[in-house]
Amino acid sequence: AQSVSQHNHHVILSEAASLELGCNYSYGGTVNLFWYVQYPGQHLQLLLKYFSGDPLVKGIKGFEAEFIKSKFSFNLRKPSVQWSDTAEYFCAVKPSDTGRRALTFGSGTRLQVQP
Amino acid sequence: GAGVSQSPSNKVTEKGKDVELRCDPISGHTALYWYRQSLGQGLEFLIYFQGNSAPDKSGLPSDRFSAERTGGSVSTLTIQRTQQEDSAVYLCASSSISYGYTFGSGTRLTVV
Repeated sequence: AQSVSQHNHHVILSEAASLELGCNYSYGGTVNLFWYVQYPGQHLQLLLKYFSGDPLVKGIKGFEAEFIKSKFSFNLRKPSVQWSDTAEYFCAVKPSDTGRRALTFGSGTRLQVQP
Repeated sequence: GAGVSQSPSNKVTEKGKDVELRCDPISGHTALYWYRQSLGQGLEFLIYFQGNSAPDKSGLPSDRFSAERTGGSVSTLTIQRTQQEDSAVYLCASSSISYGYTFGSGTRLTVV
């Protein structure tokens, strides 16, 4: 079975700092990869996704993620964070070579951006 | 509807009672999922429904948990004889083939 690791549980940054949140997964086959964000008091929203093609994926609000197959990683980046990026971020994986469509999520990273 | 609707948004129940949580997915989405989010934890997969196929129940933590999906649309998650460790936010999501999940706002369950 696949699993997802998010090693940073809580990250505190100042506004304008650069962000990189780690995500590693364990699965030997082909995968679809996702980042979801949960702003305080709101429901989970899709930030970006990778299905195939260009491993550098751009999402909403200036976020991007790079799929590095050899490292089983899909790290989330943003060059300059804003206070409004304060939220919890979840990485998720789904095998794309099986019929199973349920996502496996990481434990999340809480990002706190200080003004 | 425009999004995934879950009800109730909050539920407080006494230990040992049964609860039912409802999910109304996006119209036309063939897949429906239930997850559980406990404080400080990630999302724990519970069960998913795909069209008319048998549901994948592999994530249900015990036989006190069950779910059904009627007419390929609305789903109900039932927890029997609730325990304090069942306290969590229960999230429902639906998806279409070409897109990721759309989540509902969740039901916060508190067992006292």
